[in-house]
Amino acid sequence: DAGVIQSPRHEVTEMGQEVTLRCKPISGHNSLFWYRQTMMRGLELLIYFNNNVPIDDSGMPEDRFSAKMPNASFSTLKIQPSEPRDSAVYFCASSEATEGTEAFFGQGTRLTVV
Amino acid sequence: AQTVTQSQPEMSVQEAETVTLSCTYDTSESNYYLFWYKQPPSRQMILVIRQEAYKQQNATENRFSVNFQKAAKSFSLKISDSQLGDTAMYFCAYVSGGSNYKLTFGKGTLLTVNP
Repeated sequence: DAGVIQSPRHEVTEMGQEVTLRCKPISGHNSLFWYRQTMMRGLELLIYFNNNVPIDDSGMPEDRFSAKMPNASFSTLKIQPSEPRDSAVYFCASSEATEGTEAFFGQGTRLTVV
Repeated sequence: AQTVTQSQPEMSVQEAETVTLSCTYDTSESNYYLFWYKQPPSRQMILVIRQEAYKQQNATENRFSVNFQKAAKSFSLKISDSQLGDTAMYFCAYVSGGSNYKLTFGKGTLLTVNP
């Protein structure tokens, strides 16, 4: 398997623009996670899907952030409008829906909002 | 809610020596799992080692081992015979047992292995 695939690897956008980050989880994995990594706050869970259904979105910062998982092989994280404080590395991870299983991470998208 | 604390923001060690990274966690659950992930400069998150809370035996994986103290809620990582390729951020993580699969991470420890 190719692992978790995220695109783009890097994104630079202007404040106010819409940004869409994409993720393809590992085939057969039922759980999908979006994390944000910053120096100040470390790795924060934004949202967690199980079988394509959002289970916990309590980490989504505000209404500017939205995430979808239309099918088992694709998820998006959208920021609209983007702000400079959204600059971070965004990771997608997937895991089997099995107790105690590890999560496999994509290589992340480095987002810079100027 | 569970919390994970890594009290050492940075550490360094000489090549071939041994280093221990600390992690403590807070939970009221009895069934859970603990992980150490490594993040080298490439940014890729890589699983280093995994521990089931119900197991008393400490997990080992080649040069990596843990000291799991359940009563003290402590989960330290020992790296033996440190290599330059071990230079990375190391994250301790917690996941509950049962059907909640989300990981809670500590803030990380930056380990530098010096030649």
